[in-house]
Amino acid sequence: EDKVVQSPLSLVVHEGDTVTLNCSYEVTNFRSLLWYKQEKKAPTFLFMLTSSGIEKKSGRLSSILDKKELFSILNITATQTGDSAIYLCAESGKAAGNKLTFGGGTRVLVKP
Amino acid sequence: DADVTQTPRNRITKTGKRIMLECSQTKGHDRMYWYRQDPGLGLRLIYYSFDVKDINKGEISDGYSVSRQAQAKFSLSLESAIPNQTALYFCATSESADHEQFFGPGTRLTVL
Repeated sequence: EDKVVQSPLSLVVHEGDTVTLNCSYEVTNFRSLLWYKQEKKAPTFLFMLTSSGIEKKSGRLSSILDKKELFSILNITATQTGDSAIYLCAESGKAAGNKLTFGGGTRVLVKP
Repeated sequence: DADVTQTPRNRITKTGKRIMLECSQTKGHDRMYWYRQDPGLGLRLIYYSFDVKDINKGEISDGYSVSRQAQAKFSLSLESAIPNQTALYFCATSESADHEQFFGPGTRLTVL
């Protein structure tokens, strides 16, 4: 059974700090690793990683995947209060389409 | 206009009642999914459909049923609601196994 574990469960930082979120996974037949940001309601897509060692970057957010060690990291630099959210990691296996297995999420609170 | 819509957005019901949650999408995607979210557990897959004639159970399908009325519409039913089905329910769509999933705004369901 596929499994995704995120750490830490939550963290509080101040504006300007750098945040590193961790995601480890166990999957029978890996296809991709995805990151989502969830603020009020619906998760919104951030990144999809399929190749190991490739860094995806969008503004202050970046993510990298290590397929050998089975983990991914999401970094947020120069945090802002608008970065406060739950960050969800999910893996997509090849076993049945691209149904996603989610981790429990990391709640990030950025204080002014 | 929202690409993935869900109705209702909030619902309070009583134990034993039949409830239907509806999802519509204008993205033209064949793949549609239903998830539930509970605090600390991330999102868990209930059912998914790759086209109108293809319905599949997810990891937590007991107590739920679905109907794919058209490419654009995917409904989730609780035949006899129970309190532990109180959760936030999300519909999602995707273009293919190699693309991200797009989520609707969610339905908050409370079963008393």
